Amino acid sequence: DTGVSQNPRHKITKRGQNVTFRCDPISEHNRLYWYRQTLGQGPEFLTYFQNEAQLEKSRLLSDRFSAERPKGSFSTLEIQRTEQGDSAMYLCASTVGGRVEQFFGPGTRLTVL
Amino acid sequence: GEDVEQSLFLSVREGDSSVINCTYTDSSSTYLYWYKQEPGAGLQLLTYIFSNMDMKQDQRLTVLLNKKDKHLSLRIADTQTGDSAIYFCAETLKGIPTFGRGTSLIVHP
Repeated sequence: DTGVSQNPRHKITKRGQNVTFRCDPISEHNRLYWYRQTLGQGPEFLTYFQNEAQLEKSRLLSDRFSAERPKGSFSTLEIQRTEQGDSAMYLCASTVGGRVEQFFGPGTRLTVL
Repeated sequence: GEDVEQSLFLSVREGDSSVINCTYTDSSSTYLYWYKQEPGAGLQLLTYIFSNMDMKQDQRLTVLLNKKDKHLSLRIADTQTGDSAIYFCAETLKGIPTFGRGTSLIVHP
């Protein structure tokens, strides 16, 4: 078990482009969370899945943000028509439903030029 | 709405105790957490406390919870240079965590 992995680790894009990030949770973790962390702030919850079901998505920042977990394993977070304000660290975490601890990945740092 | 407040910085001398404070607003929170984030690394859960407890001790870590004042603290005994990091307080309501801005702990010799 290598922990939660996220790819890419860094992404630089131009404003208006679409980007997609991937998160691979710890095996057999059925819950997967996405957060955004900007400089000097704590992680901000975006959405989470239990298996393939997206249980909460009202906190996604705008309709440009979407997430999927099609087979209940890895997940993707897509940002369409990126803006400079989207520049941040995007964190993924996983856990087993009912457990207290979430295991965080190293994050994907997005820079929008 | 939820809001978690923390002081931004704390500087202590190696060997002293550190106390990091946090206030939260939602009395319905079920769990309260302390996470540690080292430079370039992901968040790591340090400890947590269930809302019906008022204290939890785990080796050098002591968590105190005052539900009346909605105040949570983390005490680190015998602080070491390796404890230098950002510490986040978080509450969970209906399975959704809310994090504070983090307290940057600086440990100097």
